[in-house]
Amino acid sequence: GAVVSQHPSRVICKSGTSVKIECRSLDFQATTMFWYRQFPKQSLMLMATSNEGSKATYEQGVEKDKFLINHASLTLSTLTVTSAHPEDSSFYICSARQQGPNEKLFFGSGTQLSVL
Amino acid sequence: AQTVTQSQPEMSVQEAETVTLSCTYDTSESNYYLFWYKQPPSRQMILVIRQEAYKQQNATENRFSVNFQKAAKSFSLKISDSQLGDTAMYFCAFIGVYGNKLVFGAGTILRVKS
Repeated sequence: GAVVSQHPSRVICKSGTSVKIECRSLDFQATTMFWYRQFPKQSLMLMATSNEGSKATYEQGVEKDKFLINHASLTLSTLTVTSAHPEDSSFYICSARQQGPNEKLFFGSGTQLSVL
Repeated sequence: AQTVTQSQPEMSVQEAETVTLSCTYDTSESNYYLFWYKQPPSRQMILVIRQEAYKQQNATENRFSVNFQKAAKSFSLKISDSQLGDTAMYFCAFIGVYGNKLVFGAGTILRVKS
């Protein structure tokens, strides 16, 4: 089946630094990718929808200058957490949409971000 | 806006028995997809089953089946012959065919007991 690669799986950084998370669809072209944030034992909270070649659409309450999303190609989307603070510590998951008659969404394995 | 509601925060079932997880949704769209995802302790999201809204036939995947009631906007998941490996958090999700948001329910923690 289709695979989505997300890395790093875990990152620890100092407050004030920026962290980039990559999400790649390995064997299909994903015109749309989603970025989620998940707190322990809670649901996935949609942060933004990323469309190849255009600006990301952010959900209400998500700071676009804090969470920079770039979808430069049909197989790669990146999320950059800028000037990270401890409250940004969370589990981030990407999802890539395979559109068509067999519409499916595949998920990366997630990134645990810890900001010290 | 679409919403997905899972009203059972936690459930338990004995090994080999059957359990049903509930999901309701709200949308004004007529054509969409519904999914059940499983998230084990590894936190990897695993697709369990999908349903196309324009198909009346309920989807099945081995021990997993759904009861899709479009008029009632209900999409429950039945797990037969429950196994210890089914222990996980289960999420119901919705996306419109022409929509651009995959919306999740709050999730149901399922524990399978031996």
